[in-house]
Amino acid sequence: NAGVMQNPRHLVRRRGQEARLRCSPMKGHSHVYWYRQLPEEGLKFMVYLQKENIIDESGMPKERFSAEFPKEGPSILRIQQVVRGDSAAYFCASSPEAKPSYNEQFFGPGTRLTVL
Amino acid sequence: SQKIEQNSEALNIQEGKTATLTCNYTNYSPAYLQWYRQDPGRGPVFLLLIRENEKEKRKERLKVTFDTTLKQSLFHITASQPADSATYLCALERSSNTGKLIFGQGTTLQVKP
Repeated sequence: NAGVMQNPRHLVRRRGQEARLRCSPMKGHSHVYWYRQLPEEGLKFMVYLQKENIIDESGMPKERFSAEFPKEGPSILRIQQVVRGDSAAYFCASSPEAKPSYNEQFFGPGTRLTVL
Repeated sequence: SQKIEQNSEALNIQEGKTATLTCNYTNYSPAYLQWYRQDPGRGPVFLLLIRENEKEKRKERLKVTFDTTLKQSLFHITASQPADSATYLCALERSSNTGKLIFGQGTTLQVKP
């Protein structure tokens, strides 16, 4: 059973470009979470999605950031018009049950975004 | 405001000793607390989960305690090994049961042979 997959592992963008980060949850998992980790800081929650629904986006910046988890295919975190402050590691996690809060979250290897 | 604090200073110990890491929180009523391990350049890996009505949990050389009165969790690694060297993160979920984890900034453990 493959773990959580994220791609690309490293992404370099120039200011003003768009970044698309992909996450394939573990097989059988229907809950996806995105976190951001800045250098020397802890993980910060961004958004929690189930298939075709955004459950909690309280950690998402109001502008330029969006996330989706379609019925088919991976979850996508999209950052439009990137700025240098967006440079960070972005981690995706998934969990298997209807009440995910009572299960651990399985993390992917992360996508390291560098904005030049 | 709500805070989760872990010791930001690295913890250096000798192989074979017990490592103890601390996680303190304020203004939360967590349903449960989790501990993760993170190695450089990798995603966190789940280690242990403890619920608010549990005082202690063990798994092999790992032990976690949870004191909701003190608002503190302690994470112990007994008979530590150099391979235990990593950053350890505590994470809380509020009683509102959202599935969203709030992480501390992590404590780096270095076990010297």
